[in-house]
Amino acid sequence: GQQLNQSPQSMFIQEGEDVSMNCTSSSIFNTWLWYKQDPGEGPVLLIALYKAGELTSNGRLTAQFGITRKDSFLNISASIPSDVGIYFCAGSNTGNQFYFGTGTSLTVIP
Amino acid sequence: DGGITQSPKYLFRKEGQNVTLSCEQNLNHDAMYWYRQDPGQGLRLIYYSQIVNDFQKGDIAEGYSVSREKKESFPLTVTSAQKNPTAFYLCASSSWGQGASDTQYFGPGTRLTVL
Repeated sequence: GQQLNQSPQSMFIQEGEDVSMNCTSSSIFNTWLWYKQDPGEGPVLLIALYKAGELTSNGRLTAQFGITRKDSFLNISASIPSDVGIYFCAGSNTGNQFYFGTGTSLTVIP
Repeated sequence: DGGITQSPKYLFRKEGQNVTLSCEQNLNHDAMYWYRQDPGQGLRLIYYSQIVNDFQKGDIAEGYSVSREKKESFPLTVTSAQKNPTAFYLCASSSWGQGASDTQYFGPGTRLTVL
């Protein structure tokens, strides 16, 4: 199945810094989802996007559905230690099958 | 409390044994999925089901089997034919087909270790 290209693969940042990551696809999607996964746990849905150009926030997190419908971006502002984890993007064009990025591992240094 | 439950959290199995992982959801979702996650890798789709009594193979279905007798339940059996079964298994469900509200939610996962 298709795997989305997610970058960067890992990030090491100081507490308080902003974070940006993105996901690209060779296919057009109607839905983009962003998840956070802690070690040994299931991914938790952070933000869902359903319209090209849509910009949605959830606290310090902001995600955008790219205009081309082939990419999406996630920003985290003023990072804190509990932001540590792996962030995954997922896309769907039918709603019944989702394709996932390879993940971005975030480390926040206090 | 709405959500997806998976049991057990940790499972140990001897080589050559079949083992069944449980997944239950009370979100009233039609579609359910099983993924496998290996260290440092993304999610790989094993099987999915869009409706009761129907399911489709994903990218890595060999050595696995599923059933969907009830809307709420989608158990996964890891058979002895699966050559490398040690992994973290994630169940998910989605509200597909509703256009603007297609969303997928995950359970807490089961870590299977073959001894």
